[in-house]
Amino acid sequence: KAGVTQTPRYLIKTRGQQVTLSCSPISGHRSVSWYQQTPGQGLQFLFEYFSETQRNKGNFPGRFSGRQFSNSRSEMNVSTLELGDSALYLCASSRTGLDEQFFGPGTRLTVL
Amino acid sequence: GESVGLHLPTLSVQEGDNSIINCAYSNSASDYFIWYKQESGKGPQFIIDIRSNMDKRQGQRVTVLLNKTVKHLSLQIAATQPGDSAVYFCAEHNFNKFYFGSGTKLNVKP
Repeated sequence: KAGVTQTPRYLIKTRGQQVTLSCSPISGHRSVSWYQQTPGQGLQFLFEYFSETQRNKGNFPGRFSGRQFSNSRSEMNVSTLELGDSALYLCASSRTGLDEQFFGPGTRLTVL
Repeated sequence: GESVGLHLPTLSVQEGDNSIINCAYSNSASDYFIWYKQESGKGPQFIIDIRSNMDKRQGQRVTVLLNKTVKHLSLQIAATQPGDSAVYFCAEHNFNKFYFGSGTKLNVKP
């Protein structure tokens, strides 16, 4: 079966712009979580969506937001981009959010 | 998908030897643990998991040990192969969130 897909794979933006990243979970998975990965901070949890509702949220500013659609696909938006937002953004899907998570390949965001 | 931190610990082993990667977790309420492998340019890949009501779980060539007394998790890889070279993360689950360790880089020498 198809794995988790993320688009785009690479993105270059400038400070102040906004960006939307997309994640398609594995078929049948209702939970989608988003993570930010940087060399200095490692993997940090952004938020989790389950059945179109944000169920959990990490410690990121309100510039980071997301949503989930009825087909479980999820989008993540970052507004007013800062240089420090440069990172690999990973999404992971699971059936319930309490079981094994499968990660996508990530979107590499570079903010100039 | 590189996940190398500034001071990522590195474990170097000879091909064919067994590898043991350790992880100290932080929350005694954590009820579920996962080991991931991340190769350069890729997202983390699930290796094996264990729930807090277990001490040991075995997979193909991998074993996870959980010591709740000292909040320690280990991943044992038998007969390590060059393809095992990657960064390995442990993740703990509590209060509906996963928290990840910084990772250990495994370097397999041929």
